[in-house]
Amino acid sequence: EAGVTQFPSHSVIEKGQTVTLRCDPISGHDNLYWYRRVMGKEIKFLLHFVKESKQDESGMPNNRFLAERTGGTYSTLKVQPAELEDSGVYFCASSQYKGVLNTEAFFGQGTRLTVV
Amino acid sequence: AQTVTQSQPEMSVQEAETVTLSCTYDTSENNYYLFWYKQPPSRQMILVIRQEAYKQQNATENRFSVNFQKAAKSFSLKISDSQLGDTAMYFCAFMRGYNAGGTSYGKLTFGQGTILTVHP
Repeated sequence: EAGVTQFPSHSVIEKGQTVTLRCDPISGHDNLYWYRRVMGKEIKFLLHFVKESKQDESGMPNNRFLAERTGGTYSTLKVQPAELEDSGVYFCASSQYKGVLNTEAFFGQGTRLTVV
Repeated sequence: AQTVTQSQPEMSVQEAETVTLSCTYDTSENNYYLFWYKQPPSRQMILVIRQEAYKQQNATENRFSVNFQKAAKSFSLKISDSQLGDTAMYFCAFMRGYNAGGTSYGKLTFGQGTILTVHP
């Protein structure tokens, strides 16, 4: 079974440009999460999808960030326009829970975004 | 809001020895889960071990065990018989329990991470 995959693995863009990150969760996982780790700091939650619906987007830094999950499958995270402080590693994770039981969140390898 | 603190930015250990990584957290919740995740260099993060807060018994997974002190809000990871493949960044993480309410079940709060290097 394929794990969580993220594209691209690295991206270097200039300030003001647009970048779109993609996450393909494990097939059948309804929950999809985006996280971000800025250099030297902790991994922070950005948002949570349940299927195609945004369950919680309280961690999104500002309106330059737009996340979508069309059809409840893969998700994209677009940054437009990118700023220097957006540099970091963006992680995606997916999980499937069964009733009240929690199941493990599986992570992708992350996308390293560098804004210059 | 919950916070997770890992006070050791870097640790090192000799192969076959034992090392303990520290983690403390702060929460007003009574129902929650704690995790240790491992991220090897250039690879994806994987779950090492998890602990349900309602369980008094410390979780164990082969060479990995935790010391969960609920009253002290402490959750340390012990790695026994360290191997070169244990070299990685380790993250401690907190998750609210299902009955804790709120809409974002499954959301993790992470610590800053500890880089562990195992030397031959």
